Amino acid sequence: GAGVSQSPRYKVAKRGQDVALRCDPISGHVSLFWYQQALGQGPEFLTYFQNEAQLDKSGLPSDRFFAERPEGSVSTLKIQRTQQEDSAVYLCASSLAASSYNEQFFGPGTRLTVL
Amino acid sequence: AQSVTQLDSHVSVSEGTPVLLRCNYSSSYSPSLFWYVQHPNKGLQLLLKYTSAATLVKGINGFEAEFKKSETSFHLTKPSAHMSDAAEYFCVVTPSSAGNNRKLIWGLGTSLAVNP
Repeated sequence: GAGVSQSPRYKVAKRGQDVALRCDPISGHVSLFWYQQALGQGPEFLTYFQNEAQLDKSGLPSDRFFAERPEGSVSTLKIQRTQQEDSAVYLCASSLAASSYNEQFFGPGTRLTVL
Repeated sequence: AQSVTQLDSHVSVSEGTPVLLRCNYSSSYSPSLFWYVQHPNKGLQLLLKYTSAATLVKGINGFEAEFKKSETSFHLTKPSAHMSDAAEYFCVVTPSSAGNNRKLIWGLGTSLAVNP
């Protein structure tokens, strides 16, 4: 595909349910990032992968959040036992190389609503 | 540590008039700076970036920004606003030093409204 895709675009979960959010980065992009964007806020960094290696997960808000990229392409962000405060848009971005100079290309996001 | 402050949460201009969106940063390292735009129901898009080359950076859609180290600013400007410029704009900083820190530090955003 031409850009970063994310699925589902919208997810409604009951409190306590587990959810899995998928990101398909641009083919060949080494770096992949997950962000959380609350309503009216800027994106906040969650975690970063370089190929299959998760190099930084310092932004994950709790141990209920888990991300993986087992083959260095598609990534999944999993949230266990969802809480209302998890409601946000989850953004995925990829970039061609590892340098912070490189532009990050963003997907459209997954809007998660926890009831 | 790095931080970024967008000085206006909302800016409203008339079509055809200049746009100024203000951003100040704080960085322990020589920073890279970016402006991203987010249109409703669309993904974030890079407008322009500064990476220690020319201090005046030109981006897409007629936007430009000037890096002023003495003022720790990276304000975004456009000579003449268009209706399609109405969106949320984010100023972003990241350290340009080598290493595993790839985090982008985001401002809270400035909502630009363009009136006919």
